[in-house]
Parts: sequence; structure tokens; C-alpha cells
Amino acid sequence: QLQLQESGPGLVKPSETLSLTCIVSGASIRTSSYYWGWVRQPPGKGLESIGSIYYSGDTYYNPSLKSRLNISLDSSKNHFSLRLTSVTAADTAIYYCARLRGSYGGMTYYFESWGQGTLVTVSS
Amino acid sequence: QSALTQPASVSASPGQSITISCTGTSSDIGSYNYVSWYQQHPGTAPKLMIYDLRFRPSGVSDRFSGSKSVNTASLTISAVQPEDEADYYCSSFTKNSILVFGGGTRLTVL
Repeated sequence: QLQLQESGPGLVKPSETLSLTCIVSGASIRTSSYYWGWVRQPPGKGLESIGSIYYSGDTYYNPSLKSRLNISLDSSKNHFSLRLTSVTAADTAIYYCARLRGSYGGMTYYFESWGQGTLVTVSS
Repeated sequence: QSALTQPASVSASPGQSITISCTGTSSDIGSYNYVSWYQQHPGTAPKLMIYDLRFRPSGVSDRFSGSKSVNTASLTISAVQPEDEADYYCSSFTKNSILVFGGGTRLTVL
């Protein structure tokens, strides 16, 4: 059974880099037909898609975050990671990692499975 | 501002049916059938309820159904139950290869 678990600091200072890792168990991240992605949700607000990565390493980013964003995967550890630079209070949110169904070439269809989420607060 | 537009709230009594709309554009909903719907109870992660416009994952009640007309997708819940009270989000594939979300709709069961 697929399980996704986010890990990383719960508190990040303004202007620094937010780094999270999603540990995948029950499935290999080197599988076609799936993407691995991130979604965030500011407290009390809606969902925002951050971006995703295919097992080939191809990445697809939300244009509003693209200049600060990097998503990578480590197949040897079966996990994928998020780095968001120059954070501000507006980046405070619950961050979810997820598996997406899709096909090669950036075709992502839906978020199939979700991690439980981790709250990241940006504050000095 | 969300890419897709949903009503902020809807309400229904148990046993009634409701429909939540999700309006996009010809660049997302209007061009693709990759529309999905998610249910989120307070303090929990979203749960996939409908994918590819009208298909239900295993285990999701057949009281949930999806459809589309031009640039607007819809989620219908028939015979609403108290456990259906939650936030509902639509999502669509876009030409940027990003799945965008609607702002969410809170369903209150009276």
C-alpha cells in the first residue's frame, strides 16, 4: 500500500530556503504513468499546486513559483524533494506531497494519493 | 485568486441533492477532460472523489458524480449524508502542465 510522508523543518526564517522531503513507501518512484508532486494550503485557505516531477527527472512548475522552486527526486532513496528559496510569510502553509497519475510529456491527470501534510511556518 | 471559480458555500438537508460548479476557461476545463474533485475534512489531507471528469476511485460512493459543459465542470452529490459535510475542490489540467485548483466550496449539511 502506497504511503507518502513529508519531512522537514516546521519553522523557516524569512529570506531563507524551505526544504522538504517526501518519503515514498509501497511503490517505486521510478514508475511510468506517475508523477510526484507538491501542493500547499495556507491556514484556512484553499489548495495551490506547486509542481511535479516525472521519474525521468522532467519537472513542471507553477509559473508563480518557478523562479524560486526546485523539485528533485532520489531514486536510490525512493524519495523526492522540494526547495523553495527566498521565503516570506506568504509561504506559510501546510505542504502536501502527492502521487499524480499522468503520462509522459507533462500530462498530469489528477492527484491520486496524498501525504498527511506538514505545516511550515515562515517567521523570524 | 484561483484559476478555477467555485461557489464559496452550499448547504443541503440530509437526503437532498446538490451540485457544485467549477468554472474555468477554454485553456483548461474547456480543452481537457482531466477534471478531478477532492473532498477535504477539517485537519485531514484531500481525498480524490472524481477523476477524468466522471470516474470514481474504488471505495467512493456512487452518490458522487461528475460532468462538464463547455468550460464548467460540476460535482453532484445525491442523497447528501451528514458525513459529506466537508470542503470540495475541483482541479483541471492546464496547458502549463500544472493541475490548477478551484477556490473550494464548503458543503454544510443542515
